[in-house]
Amino acid sequence: KQEVTQIPAALSVPEGENLVLNCSFTDSAIYNLQWFRQDPGKGLTSLLLIQSSQREQTSGRLNASLDKSSGRSTLYIAASQPGDSATYLCAGDSGYALNFGKGTSLLVTP
Amino acid sequence: DTGVSQDPRHKITKRGQNVTFRCDPISEHNRLYWYRQTLGQGPEFLTYFQNEAQLEKSRLLSDRFSAERPKGSFSTLEIQRTEQGDSAMYLCASSLVGGPGEQFFGPGTRLTVL
Repeated sequence: KQEVTQIPAALSVPEGENLVLNCSFTDSAIYNLQWFRQDPGKGLTSLLLIQSSQREQTSGRLNASLDKSSGRSTLYIAASQPGDSATYLCAGDSGYALNFGKGTSLLVTP
Repeated sequence: DTGVSQDPRHKITKRGQNVTFRCDPISEHNRLYWYRQTLGQGPEFLTYFQNEAQLEKSRLLSDRFSAERPKGSFSTLEIQRTEQGDSAMYLCASSLVGGPGEQFFGPGTRLTVL
């Protein structure tokens, strides 16, 4: 079974900082790697999808990279804002099921 | 496109009762997934459908759980004889076969078993 680990578990930064969230997975034979945002008590919002043939994807202030050989993905958030405060989850796609990490809880302080 | 919807958003029930949740996927999506999330954990896969066929079930889906997607559109997840350990957020997602594989999630149904 695909094991997904996210580091750090929690992160607090002042507004305006650039930050990196890390995700590692045990099985390099993943199809896709997807990053999500989850606000407290809410569902998941898809942020970025990196297909297995791709190495990175960008959307606005977000950039995600994928290195299948090392089993790692990173989510880079530029110029963080208080509205970015949420839990960020990465998930590896086994072909149908997403295998999730426990998430990184991000707090951006004004 | 209204996204994935789930009903109800919250359900409180007593131990031993049966509950049923509904998920309406994005209209053109032919895959539908159910996940369960407990506090502080990432979602865990339960089952998925392609059109009306249930193709995979997790070992987490005990015989008290049953899911259907009778016409390949909406899906229901029923839990019989609920237990306190069933308390969780139940999430539904959908995707398009032949697309990039991105899964889109609904707002979830929060179940509390007293």
